[in-house]
Parts: sequence; structure tokens; C-alpha cells
Amino acid sequence: NAGVTQTPKFRILKIGQSMTLQCAQDMNHNYMYWYRQDPGMGLKLIYYSVGAGITDKGEVPNGYNVSRSTTEDFPLRLELAAPSQTSVYFCASSGTGTAFEKLFFGSGTQLSVL
Amino acid sequence: AQKVTQAQTEISVVEKEDVTLDCVYETRDTTYYLFWYKQPPSGELVFLIRRNSFDEQNEISGRYSWNFQKSTSSFNFTITASQVVDSAVYFCALSSLQGAQKLVFGQGTRLTINP
Repeated sequence: NAGVTQTPKFRILKIGQSMTLQCAQDMNHNYMYWYRQDPGMGLKLIYYSVGAGITDKGEVPNGYNVSRSTTEDFPLRLELAAPSQTSVYFCASSGTGTAFEKLFFGSGTQLSVL
Repeated sequence: AQKVTQAQTEISVVEKEDVTLDCVYETRDTTYYLFWYKQPPSGELVFLIRRNSFDEQNEISGRYSWNFQKSTSSFNFTITASQVVDSAVYFCALSSLQGAQKLVFGQGTRLTINP
């Protein structure tokens, strides 16, 4: 069972470069999320999607963009990388998006911007 | 605003000891849900338990138990007879009834079980 798959696992970027973090889920979940985890901090929501073609901002969306063209995929785009975006990024999904539902997480992408 | 506080940044115990991870939350909502997730060294967060605000019964699952007390806004997690495999970062999280689930996470507690 693949679940939520994130690529790449590690990446080093130079300031000003751009990249896309990939996320795919094979559970036919409607809801998908991107979180970032900074050292010693909890996870903070960047963007989320309630279905194909529908996305919305979370708590910390600045510097990121997302798209959701299919149910399976939810890529996160960094246009002009900054050192403040050095973090571990987690993609997650859930079936109905209701408050009591557990999230399924990917294994994370560790990004360093130097 | 909702907030989750895990005051214990790191805990280190010897195997077989009991250990309690504290979680205190703040919310104005009357209906909400509390969660615990485990993040092992592999990095992937794994769901452990959820509790709704109307159910204050304690729960036990093997060596794990959870104590939910609305009076003190706490949802503490106890591991009995800890094992090395319990070493991980543990997150407490909160969500409330909204259009989409937006978990608010605590800072996490890094638990190290020494052999």
C-alpha cells in the first residue's frame, strides 16, 4: 500500500531558485494538505485542497503556490526560494476532510535553501 | 484562536519506565477533536488516537493510555513499561468543526527511551 508518496526526500536549493515538491496519494481521498515543520515547532498548514480544481490558503501560504488538477496529485511550488523556507514539508490526505478524521501523511521532504 | 502546548520539549527515560507526555489546548469551540500523532525516526507521522470533546472517557490501548480532562483542557498520553521502539517525536493536535480539517499542532515532544 503506497498511501501518500512525496518526492524528493531531500533537496538543496540556492536562494532564488524554484522547485516543485510532488505529492501523490492512491487512496482516492478528496482532501489533501501541505504542512511545513520547522525545528522544535509543530506542523503549520500551508495550503489545502478539498478536491480537484479547488485549493485554499492555510496559515502560512506566502511564498508558495499549489494546484490540484487530479484527485491523486497535489504539488507544492516554491517560486523564489528563500532561507526562511528551509524546513521539512509534509503532504497529507483525508477522505472527507471532517474534523474528526485522521490524516495520512507522506514521509516528508527535507528542503534546505542556502 | 486555537492553540496546543506541549511544554516538554524532550524527555529521556530508561526502558521499562512509565512516561507521560503532556498536552494542553485552548479553543473557544464547544465541539472539537484532539489527536496524538507519532513521528518515528523515519519521519512519517502516524495517527495514534483521536478524542471528541464530548467523550472524556480515558482510553487504553496496550501500553498506551490517554487521559482527557476538559476541566484542565488537557489530553495527556502515558506509555507504560516503555520500550526503545517508543522513541519518537509525539505531537498533540486539535481540530474543530470547519469546512475542512485544519489541524493545529503542538510543538512536539521528543521521547528517547534508553536501553
